[in-house]
Amino acid sequence: NAGVMQNPRHLVRRRGQEARLRCSPMKGHSHVYWYRQLPEEGLKFMVYLQKENIIDESGMPKERFSAEFPKEGPSILRIQQVVRGDSAAYFCASRRRGDTEAFFGQGTRLTVV
Amino acid sequence: GQQLNQSPQSMFIQEGEDVSMNCTSSSIFNTWLWYKQDPGEGPVLLIALYKAGELTSNGRLTAQFGITRKDSFLNISASIPSDVGIYFCAGHPSGGSEKLVFGKGTKLTVNP
Repeated sequence: NAGVMQNPRHLVRRRGQEARLRCSPMKGHSHVYWYRQLPEEGLKFMVYLQKENIIDESGMPKERFSAEFPKEGPSILRIQQVVRGDSAAYFCASRRRGDTEAFFGQGTRLTVV
Repeated sequence: GQQLNQSPQSMFIQEGEDVSMNCTSSSIFNTWLWYKQDPGEGPVLLIALYKAGELTSNGRLTAQFGITRKDSFLNISASIPSDVGIYFCAGHPSGGSEKLVFGKGTKLTVNP
């Protein structure tokens, strides 16, 4: 069984560009979480999605950030008009409906130059 | 909102020593999970706890779900150099949206 797959592993964007981060959950997992991590810091919750639904987006910045988890295909975290402060590692985790264990991908390290 | 207070922030120990870290909250949690993160990698699930009072082991790791449902601890016995990393507690708050809340981590350094 493949684990949670995130791509790209590293992403460099210039200020003002768009960043699209992809997360393919484990097979059979219909719930996805996105987290942001700054160096030497913990994991900050951003958004929790089920297929085709956003369940909790209380950690998402109000502007420029959006997330989706379509019926088919990976979950996408989209950051528009990136700024230097968006530079961080972004992790997604997935779990199966009814389970409590969530499994993480290896993250996407976004650098805004 | 639901906050997890994890302590200590960092620990420096000698190889072979035992380690203990804990996580507390002001609100009730339904589930506690403990993860380890190596540099440049994603967190890896170590132990999951499902009910108050539960004590679960995974090799040299032992974790407990507190009776009040507001705390959990993780013990590592006979530490080895590869135990180095950041350990995070996480949990599903009671009455929440099933979002998974994380503590700020305990950074463990093991001196050979």
